[in-house]
Amino acid sequence: AQSVTQPDIHITVSEGASLELRCNYSYGATPYLFWYVQSPGQGLQLLLKYFSGDTLVQGIKGFEAEFKRSQSSFNLRKPSVHWSDAAEYFCAVGGPSGGGSQGNLIFGKGTKLSVKP
Amino acid sequence: GAGVSQSPSNKVTEKGKDVELRCDPISGHTALYWYRQSLGQGLEFLIYFQGNSAPDKSGLPSDRFSAERTGGSVSTLTIQRTQQEDSAVYLCASSLGIAGGLVQFFGPGTRLTVL
Repeated sequence: AQSVTQPDIHITVSEGASLELRCNYSYGATPYLFWYVQSPGQGLQLLLKYFSGDTLVQGIKGFEAEFKRSQSSFNLRKPSVHWSDAAEYFCAVGGPSGGGSQGNLIFGKGTKLSVKP
Repeated sequence: GAGVSQSPSNKVTEKGKDVELRCDPISGHTALYWYRQSLGQGLEFLIYFQGNSAPDKSGLPSDRFSAERTGGSVSTLTIQRTQQEDSAVYLCASSLGIAGGLVQFFGPGTRLTVL
């Protein structure tokens, strides 16, 4: 079955510390992978995406993610967290002809990030 | 418009009433998706439209849920005889198509509360 797992429901880091949010996926074909961020009361904003090529992808706001096929993972990282990064982060998977059905993405349940001053 | 818009932003209704949620996609986007986000859950796919093709309704949780898209643009999600378990944030997204990898752009959502 196609699925996305984000093992950490809630993570708290200190401002300036490094961050890694975990994402594991199960998908029968070549996956297209996405990270979205959702601030309170806002819609989802795309941080970065992986389709092919270089397995380390750079995104907005200083985020990066690394695709590891052998581990079925697509972890999100940031070297130094800012207070404004506090939000909920969602990993999603789709495929060449779409995700679970055809066009839709399959999302993880999200990781809520809190930032301590 | 510049982005996906949804209305209303909040909707409170009584159990058993019908509700309609509206989505205006980004101009030129042929694909439109509806997702549901319940407390503590990820996004659950409901339905998508692509151009003039028949919509993919495979994610609709019951026959109380329906959606239409008029003129290939605006979409309305209708929930009939609402139940308390329908309380959630309903998110709409649009993209240039359904080909894999095309980025979906999300609206701010409609928060539905069923009393």
